[in-house]
Amino acid sequence: DAKTTQPTSMDCAEGRAANLPCNHSTISGNEYVYWYRQIHSQGPQYIIHGLKNNETNEMASLIITEDRKSSTLILPHATLRDTAVYYCIVVAGGTSYGKLTFGQGTILTVHP
Amino acid sequence: GAVVSQHPSRVICKSGTSVKIECRSLDFQATTMFWYRQFPKQSLMLMATSNEGSKATYEQGVEKDKFLINHASLTLSTLTVTSAHPEDSSFYICSASYRPEGYGYTFGSGTRLTVV
Repeated sequence: DAKTTQPTSMDCAEGRAANLPCNHSTISGNEYVYWYRQIHSQGPQYIIHGLKNNETNEMASLIITEDRKSSTLILPHATLRDTAVYYCIVVAGGTSYGKLTFGQGTILTVHP
Repeated sequence: GAVVSQHPSRVICKSGTSVKIECRSLDFQATTMFWYRQFPKQSLMLMATSNEGSKATYEQGVEKDKFLINHASLTLSTLTVTSAHPEDSSFYICSASYRPEGYGYTFGSGTRLTVV
């Protein structure tokens, strides 16, 4: 599976949009981009995923560049409860489910 | 939907004893489950991949005789830490994959194991 690169930490003011970048320059055609977050001492929580197109759900938006080498997770109106470690993971889809390999992620701190 | 229940949430055991952690998929059948370990201030590290009805596949460096994984049904996988020692103290998390394609890695809430 392709490796990802994320900034170690980011800050965001409450109520503002949080834009978390992720580089995955070696991504293959059948690999999806998944975003998870982990709040302290809890299991990771699914946020969103995509293959080629931009995606939006009730939690966030995922913007994938046309060449698929990078993506951005957008939390449109960050709240204090969004403070967590955010993981960008690339994994093969299709009939054989690949393993989710976690990097170090981005520590997002939302402050008042 | 796609809920994974993990028990216990916390366990304290004496050195040398064994501890079993259960991971259940509540509303779907999980052909594949994954077990992770997480030390303080570190990321999740995949320990093994568990497939229903077959032997688990362990990641390099993980002792299969120490971390016994059983995936006897499509809704239950167990991880047994045998002869636990203080260095096995960690946060253990399970995950299950589910169809349809493109979806589905749901995580349990984790088990905090403390070996004293």
